[in-house]
Amino acid sequence: EPEVTQTPSHQVTQMGQEVILRCVPISNHLYFYWYRQILGQKVEFLVSFYNNEISEKSEIFDDQFSVERPDGSNFTLKIRSTKLEDSAMYFCASSNRAGSGYNEQFFGPGTRLTVL
Amino acid sequence: EDKVVQSPLSLVVHEGDTVTLNCSYEVTNFRSLLWYKQEKKAPTFLFMLTSSGIEKKSGRLSSILDKKELFSILNITATQTGDSAVYLCAVNSGGSNYKLTFGKGTLLTVNP
Repeated sequence: EPEVTQTPSHQVTQMGQEVILRCVPISNHLYFYWYRQILGQKVEFLVSFYNNEISEKSEIFDDQFSVERPDGSNFTLKIRSTKLEDSAMYFCASSNRAGSGYNEQFFGPGTRLTVL
Repeated sequence: EDKVVQSPLSLVVHEGDTVTLNCSYEVTNFRSLLWYKQEKKAPTFLFMLTSSGIEKKSGRLSSILDKKELFSILNITATQTGDSAVYLCAVNSGGSNYKLTFGKGTLLTVNP
Protein backbone atom coordinates (compact mmCIF):
# COMPACT_ATOMS: atom_id res chain seq x y z
CA GLU A 1 0.00 0.00 0.00
CA PRO A 2 1.47 3.40 -0.93
CA GLU A 3 2.52 5.56 1.99
CA VAL A 4 4.08 8.89 2.82
CA THR A 5 7.70 8.62 3.92
CA GLN A 6 9.79 11.12 5.86
CA THR A 7 13.47 11.51 6.62
CA PRO A 8 15.17 11.74 8.98
CA SER A 9 13.11 10.16 11.74
CA HIS A 10 14.94 12.24 14.33
CA GLN A 11 16.97 15.41 13.89
CA VAL A 12 18.92 17.12 16.64
CA THR A 13 20.23 20.61 15.94
CA GLN A 14 21.66 23.62 17.68
CA MET A 15 19.59 26.78 18.06
CA GLY A 16 20.15 29.09 15.11
CA GLN A 17 21.01 26.31 12.68
CA GLU A 18 19.09 25.59 9.49
CA VAL A 19 17.28 22.28 9.10
CA ILE A 20 15.61 20.64 6.14
CA LEU A 21 12.98 18.00 6.71
CA ARG A 22 12.21 15.75 3.79
CA CYS A 23 9.05 14.00 2.68
CA VAL A 24 8.10 11.79 -0.21
CA PRO A 25 4.31 12.03 -0.66
CA ILE A 26 2.17 9.29 -2.18
CA SER A 27 3.01 9.25 -5.87
CA ASN A 28 -0.29 10.26 -7.49
CA HIS A 29 -1.15 12.87 -4.86
CA LEU A 30 -1.21 16.54 -5.78
CA TYR A 31 -1.72 18.33 -2.45
CA PHE A 32 0.96 18.40 0.19
CA TYR A 33 0.95 19.57 3.77
CA TRP A 34 3.13 20.08 6.79
CA TYR A 35 1.80 19.85 10.34
CA ARG A 36 3.58 19.89 13.65
CA GLN A 37 2.82 18.46 17.07
CA ILE A 38 4.59 19.85 20.10
CA LEU A 39 4.87 17.19 22.79
CA GLY A 40 1.56 16.80 24.61
CA GLN A 41 -0.27 19.26 22.36
CA LYS A 42 -2.58 19.19 19.36
CA VAL A 43 -1.54 18.54 15.81
CA GLU A 44 -1.30 21.99 14.17
CA PHE A 45 -1.47 22.93 10.53
CA LEU A 46 1.56 24.74 9.11
CA VAL A 47 1.20 24.96 5.34
CA SER A 48 -0.39 23.45 2.27
CA PHE A 49 1.15 23.30 -1.19
CA TYR A 50 -0.36 22.69 -4.58
CA ASN A 51 0.78 23.26 -8.14
CA ASN A 52 4.20 24.40 -6.98
CA GLU A 53 2.99 27.12 -4.70
CA ILE A 54 1.73 27.63 -1.18
CA SER A 55 -2.06 27.42 -1.03
CA GLU A 56 -2.45 28.35 2.61
CA LYS A 57 -0.27 28.88 5.64
CA SER A 58 -0.88 29.35 9.34
CA GLU A 59 0.40 32.06 11.65
CA ILE A 60 3.08 29.64 12.82
CA PHE A 61 4.54 29.52 9.31
CA ASP A 62 6.54 32.75 9.44
CA ASP A 63 9.52 33.94 7.41
CA GLN A 64 11.76 31.35 9.04
CA PHE A 65 9.87 28.58 7.30
CA SER A 66 9.82 27.67 3.63
CA VAL A 67 8.66 24.74 1.55
CA GLU A 68 9.79 23.41 -1.75
CA ARG A 69 9.14 20.61 -4.17
CA PRO A 70 12.58 20.43 -5.75
CA ASP A 71 11.78 17.49 -8.03
CA GLY A 72 8.84 15.26 -8.91
CA SER A 73 8.91 13.29 -5.69
CA ASN A 74 10.32 15.19 -2.71
CA PHE A 75 8.60 17.85 -0.62
CA THR A 76 10.75 19.70 1.89
CA LEU A 77 10.27 21.96 4.88
CA LYS A 78 13.15 24.28 5.72
CA ILE A 79 13.53 26.13 8.97
CA ARG A 80 16.16 28.82 8.46
CA SER A 81 17.23 29.59 11.98
CA THR A 82 15.82 27.15 14.49
CA LYS A 83 14.54 28.23 17.89
CA LEU A 84 14.01 26.13 21.00
CA GLU A 85 10.26 26.36 20.50
CA ASP A 86 10.56 24.70 17.09
CA SER A 87 11.18 21.40 18.88
CA ALA A 88 8.25 19.22 17.83
CA MET A 89 7.21 16.27 15.69
CA TYR A 90 6.76 17.43 12.10
CA PHE A 91 4.32 15.49 9.96
CA CYS A 92 4.07 15.59 6.22
CA ALA A 93 0.74 14.67 4.63
CA SER A 94 -0.61 14.34 1.12
CA SER A 95 -3.97 14.00 -0.56
CA ASN A 96 -5.13 13.46 -4.11
CA ARG A 97 -7.98 15.91 -3.99
CA ALA A 98 -9.13 18.94 -2.11
CA GLY A 99 -12.12 21.18 -2.19
CA SER A 100 -15.71 20.43 -1.28
CA GLY A 101 -14.41 18.76 1.84
CA TYR A 102 -13.13 15.64 0.07
CA ASN A 103 -9.73 15.92 1.56
CA GLU A 104 -8.52 12.67 3.09
CA GLN A 105 -4.99 13.47 4.09
CA PHE A 106 -2.51 10.65 4.62
CA PHE A 107 0.28 11.26 7.08
CA GLY A 108 3.91 10.21 7.15
CA PRO A 109 5.63 8.81 10.26
CA GLY A 110 7.01 12.21 11.25
CA THR A 111 10.40 13.74 11.98
CA ARG A 112 11.13 14.51 15.60
CA LEU A 113 13.08 17.77 15.67
CA THR A 114 14.98 18.58 18.82
CA VAL A 115 16.54 22.04 19.08
CA LEU A 116 19.20 22.42 21.78
CA GLU B 1 -11.58 30.48 15.24
CA ASP B 2 -12.49 26.85 14.49
CA LYS B 3 -12.76 24.62 17.53
CA VAL B 4 -12.71 20.84 17.83
CA VAL B 5 -13.31 19.31 21.26
CA GLN B 6 -12.90 15.64 22.02
CA SER B 7 -14.09 13.74 25.04
CA PRO B 8 -13.13 11.98 27.12
CA LEU B 9 -9.45 12.93 27.05
CA SER B 10 -8.54 9.46 28.23
CA LEU B 11 -10.29 6.17 28.77
CA VAL B 12 -9.21 2.83 30.20
CA VAL B 13 -11.23 -0.29 29.36
CA HIS B 14 -10.86 -4.07 29.36
CA GLU B 15 -10.59 -6.19 26.26
CA GLY B 16 -14.02 -6.95 24.87
CA ASP B 17 -15.59 -3.71 26.05
CA THR B 18 -17.34 -1.32 23.67
CA VAL B 19 -16.23 2.31 23.68
CA THR B 20 -17.69 5.52 22.31
CA LEU B 21 -15.45 8.49 21.62
CA ASN B 22 -16.93 11.93 21.11
CA CYS B 23 -16.00 14.87 18.95
CA SER B 24 -17.85 18.18 18.85
CA TYR B 25 -16.98 21.10 16.66
CA GLU B 26 -17.67 24.77 16.10
CA VAL B 27 -16.58 25.85 12.65
CA THR B 28 -17.55 28.55 10.23
CA ASN B 29 -18.32 26.45 7.19
CA PHE B 30 -18.19 22.74 7.77
CA ARG B 31 -16.93 20.55 4.94
CA SER B 32 -15.90 17.23 6.47
CA LEU B 33 -14.87 15.51 9.67
CA LEU B 34 -12.07 12.96 9.81
CA TRP B 35 -11.02 10.40 12.39
CA TYR B 36 -7.44 9.24 12.75
CA LYS B 37 -5.71 6.69 14.97
CA GLN B 38 -2.32 7.73 16.31
CA GLU B 39 -0.14 5.03 17.79
CA LYS B 40 3.54 5.72 18.16
CA LYS B 41 3.85 8.33 15.45
CA ALA B 42 1.81 8.97 12.33
CA PRO B 43 -1.95 9.57 12.45
CA THR B 44 -3.51 6.78 10.42
CA PHE B 45 -6.66 7.67 8.49
CA LEU B 46 -9.82 5.88 9.65
CA PHE B 47 -12.90 7.66 8.31
CA MET B 48 -14.07 10.79 6.56
CA LEU B 49 -17.65 11.94 7.16
CA THR B 50 -19.46 14.58 5.19
CA SER B 51 -23.15 13.73 5.52
CA SER B 52 -25.33 13.47 8.60
CA GLY B 53 -26.73 10.16 9.69
CA ILE B 54 -24.72 7.91 7.38
CA GLU B 55 -22.67 5.43 9.33
CA LYS B 56 -19.21 4.56 8.13
CA LYS B 57 -17.99 1.16 9.18
CA SER B 58 -14.72 -0.72 9.05
CA GLY B 59 -14.57 -3.97 10.97
CA ARG B 60 -15.18 -3.24 14.64
CA LEU B 61 -14.98 0.51 14.13
CA SER B 62 -17.86 2.72 13.08
CA SER B 63 -18.55 6.42 13.02
CA ILE B 64 -21.45 8.73 12.44
CA LEU B 65 -21.88 12.47 12.04
CA ASP B 66 -24.67 14.75 13.26
CA LYS B 67 -24.40 18.08 11.42
CA LYS B 68 -27.35 19.56 13.26
CA GLU B 69 -25.91 18.96 16.71
CA LEU B 70 -22.32 19.44 15.45
CA PHE B 71 -20.76 16.25 16.69
CA SER B 72 -19.48 12.87 15.68
CA ILE B 73 -18.93 9.63 17.55
CA LEU B 74 -16.46 6.86 16.95
CA ASN B 75 -17.51 3.44 18.24
CA ILE B 76 -15.19 0.52 18.78
CA THR B 77 -16.81 -2.80 19.66
CA ALA B 78 -15.09 -5.84 21.19
CA THR B 79 -11.97 -3.82 21.92
CA GLN B 80 -8.55 -5.43 21.68
CA THR B 81 -5.21 -4.38 23.16
CA GLY B 82 -4.16 -3.34 19.66
CA ASP B 83 -6.83 -0.65 19.72
CA SER B 84 -4.83 1.20 22.37
CA ALA B 85 -3.90 4.54 20.79
CA VAL B 86 -4.78 8.20 20.65
CA TYR B 87 -7.85 8.79 18.47
CA LEU B 88 -7.85 12.16 16.75
CA CYS B 89 -10.80 14.04 15.33
CA ALA B 90 -10.15 16.71 12.69
CA VAL B 91 -12.37 19.06 10.75
CA ASN B 92 -11.96 20.60 7.32
CA SER B 93 -13.89 23.85 7.25
CA GLY B 94 -14.32 27.49 6.42
CA GLY B 95 -12.74 29.09 3.39
CA SER B 96 -9.97 26.54 3.46
CA ASN B 97 -9.84 23.58 1.14
CA TYR B 98 -6.75 22.38 2.80
CA LYS B 99 -6.30 22.87 6.50
CA LEU B 100 -7.39 20.27 9.04
CA THR B 101 -8.12 21.52 12.55
CA PHE B 102 -7.49 18.82 15.12
CA GLY B 103 -8.85 18.12 18.58
CA LYS B 104 -6.57 17.14 21.45
CA GLY B 105 -7.40 13.48 21.01
CA THR B 106 -8.71 10.70 23.25
CA LEU B 107 -6.12 8.35 24.71
CA LEU B 108 -7.65 4.88 24.75
CA THR B 109 -5.98 2.15 26.79
CA VAL B 110 -7.31 -1.38 26.42
CA ASN B 111 -6.12 -3.73 29.16
CA PRO B 112 -6.07 -7.51 28.70
